[in-house]
Amino acid sequence: QKEVEQNSGPLSVPEGAIASLNCTYSDRVSQSFFWYRQYSGKSPELIMSIYSNGDKEDGRFTAQLNKASQYVSLLIRDSQPSDSATYLCAALGGTSYGKLTFGQGTILTVHP
Amino acid sequence: DAEITQSPRHKITETGRQVTLACHQTWNHNNMFWYRQDLGHGLRLIHYSYGVQDTNKGEVSDGYSVSRSNTEDLPLTLESAASSQTSVYFCASSESRGQGTYEQYFGPGTRLTVT
Repeated sequence: QKEVEQNSGPLSVPEGAIASLNCTYSDRVSQSFFWYRQYSGKSPELIMSIYSNGDKEDGRFTAQLNKASQYVSLLIRDSQPSDSATYLCAALGGTSYGKLTFGQGTILTVHP
Repeated sequence: DAEITQSPRHKITETGRQVTLACHQTWNHNNMFWYRQDLGHGLRLIHYSYGVQDTNKGEVSDGYSVSRSNTEDLPLTLESAASSQTSVYFCASSESRGQGTYEQYFGPGTRLTVT
């Protein structure tokens, strides 16, 4: 099993809908989790971080962490065309100080 | 404002040449990382550093080297460029702020083409 796995998508949602992005992880990476957004031709941009079980909300974004089931998700409410990007899930390794392991990314398209 | 910069932003070089990509951060972060990003492979870690004089190999370190002589800079050197090293290179930095938080912030990237 890969350490961090994402649904490769692509995921397409209509404007105004909720976009749900999912990520599962192995036991080897189990501390902190991060969601990055990457526009085409640009660098990854940190949009959410989550460290404990439950939900964390920031504006239209909600990150959810379930350590028992080993998944982390990102919900984007009221999706906008400007949310169209690749979303990368990243996890901090248990014994790898400061190193992140990234998933392959999910391409999200929000159509008007 | 604190930032992380990379130079050059675009580089074309020939096979066999030595190339150095610069990364400079003003966050005063101890941790710095170099990644390459290729279609189908996602972000892969090349080298990383936890502080001055410290360097470590990542998962794809062959053909690359780094040195850390100060907090702000971590240059990445391709000893003898190969076509397989054509990629987009990202530098990132992070600082531990307790509770295992290591939020990494990325530079704008360098697009390297080896012909």
